[in-house]
Amino acid sequence: NAGVTQTPKFRVLKTGQSMTLLCAQDMNHEYMYWYRQDPGMGLRLIHYSVGEGTTAKGEVPDGYNVSRLKKQNFLLGLESAAPSQTSVYFCASSRLAVYNEQFFGPGTRLTVL
Amino acid sequence: GQQLNQSPQSMFIQEGEDVSMNCTSSSIFNTWLWYKQDPGEGPVLLIALYKAGELTSNGRLTAQFGITRKDSFLNISASIPSDVGIYFCAGLGPGANSKLTFGKGITLSVRP
Repeated sequence: NAGVTQTPKFRVLKTGQSMTLLCAQDMNHEYMYWYRQDPGMGLRLIHYSVGEGTTAKGEVPDGYNVSRLKKQNFLLGLESAAPSQTSVYFCASSRLAVYNEQFFGPGTRLTVL
Repeated sequence: GQQLNQSPQSMFIQEGEDVSMNCTSSSIFNTWLWYKQDPGEGPVLLIALYKAGELTSNGRLTAQFGITRKDSFLNISASIPSDVGIYFCAGLGPGANSKLTFGKGITLSVRP
C-alpha cells in the first residue's frame, strides 16, 4: 500500500495563478483532510471530507476550494493564489472519525511569488 | 476553541538521555495522539491513547493519557540521533463533530 500520496511535491506560482493539489489514498478511508503548515503555527485544517461527494470547511478555508468526487481522491484548489498561501500543504485520511487516527501524506511545498 | 500547549518550542539533549514532553489544555479530550515529523516529510503517528490513565509504549516511546483528560505525556528513553524531528500532540474532544486539534510541536535535537 502506498498510503497517502500527494502531487506535486513542489510548486512555484505567481500571484493570481491557479492550481490544484491532488491527494490520493489507497486505504479505503472515509475521511480526508487538507492542512497547511506554517512556521510557528502548527497544522491548521483548511477543509475536510467525511465521505465521497461531501466537503466541509475547517479552520482556515478562505481562498481554497475542495472536491471529493471519488472516495480515494481529495483535491485542493487555489483559484487565485496569493503570497499568504505560501506554505506546506498536507493531506491526511482517517478510517473513522471516532478515533480520528489520521495518516498523512508527504506534503506539497507551495511558493507564491 | 480548543488549544493544545506544547513547550518549550525546542529541546536539545545528548544521545542516550531520556526526554519527556507534555501537552496540556484547558479543555477535555477523549483521544490523544502523538506524531513525529521528520524534515521534509509528513507527520507519522507514533502512539494513540483512548482512555484516561492509559499508558502505552511503542519501543523506546511511552505515552500517557492524563487522568484529568486535559493533558498527555510522551517519554523517549535512551535517545538516538534518528529521534531528531518535530513531535506533535493532537487531541480529539468530545462530541460527534469534534475535529483533531494539534499542538504547535516541539523540535527535538539530539547531540551525538
